[in-house]
Amino acid sequence: GNSVTQMEGPVTLSEEAFLTINCTYTATGYPSLFWYVQYPGEGLQLLLKATKADDKGSNKGFEATYRKETTSFHLEKGSVQVSDSAVYFCALSHAGNNRKLIWGLGTSLAVNP
Amino acid sequence: DADVTQTPRNRITKTGKRIMLECSQTKGHDRMYWYRQDPGLGLRLIYYSFDVKDINKGEISDGYSVSRQAQAKFSLSLESAIPNQTALYFCATSRGTANTEAFFGQGTRLTVV
Repeated sequence: GNSVTQMEGPVTLSEEAFLTINCTYTATGYPSLFWYVQYPGEGLQLLLKATKADDKGSNKGFEATYRKETTSFHLEKGSVQVSDSAVYFCALSHAGNNRKLIWGLGTSLAVNP
Repeated sequence: DADVTQTPRNRITKTGKRIMLECSQTKGHDRMYWYRQDPGLGLRLIYYSFDVKDINKGEISDGYSVSRQAQAKFSLSLESAIPNQTALYFCATSRGTANTEAFFGQGTRLTVV
């Protein structure tokens, strides 16, 4: 079945460090891929998405590229800020699953000043 | 006002009590979802509804029930609360089209003592 695997946290970085959070998926065909972010005390909100192979989603300095050949959608940011401290979730949506979102377990990021 | 509103935001209840969590949305979406979030377990789907007359069990529906009172309202009930239902609960909505994203409420933190 469809599934999402993302790197375990917590991840702790210093401000201005480079961030990578790995996400790989299992699905037939071409799912849509998403990154959501959950700031402390809040619900999840969409960070970025990509809907076909080689698409790059970007928002707030974060980027992720849909890599069909490696079934990956890794999240990157060149210079993190304290305000990026949050939990990040990778997810996929697939027509074969009625477009319900399939979630990774989340990766907690803490950025220190 | 928030697009997806959950009430209450926090609740402490005793074992064996019936409790209802409510969700309303102004997005005009047909699809609504209830998730619970536990540390290390990510988001797990409890129930989902693709329209007012369509209710489906998710991966962890035991001990829960739902009611879709209108397109905009979807409530979750715990008939007889138990301590391992202590968690953060999220309601979400989406369209059912390709590339659709989900919109989340701010969550209800439920503690069963």
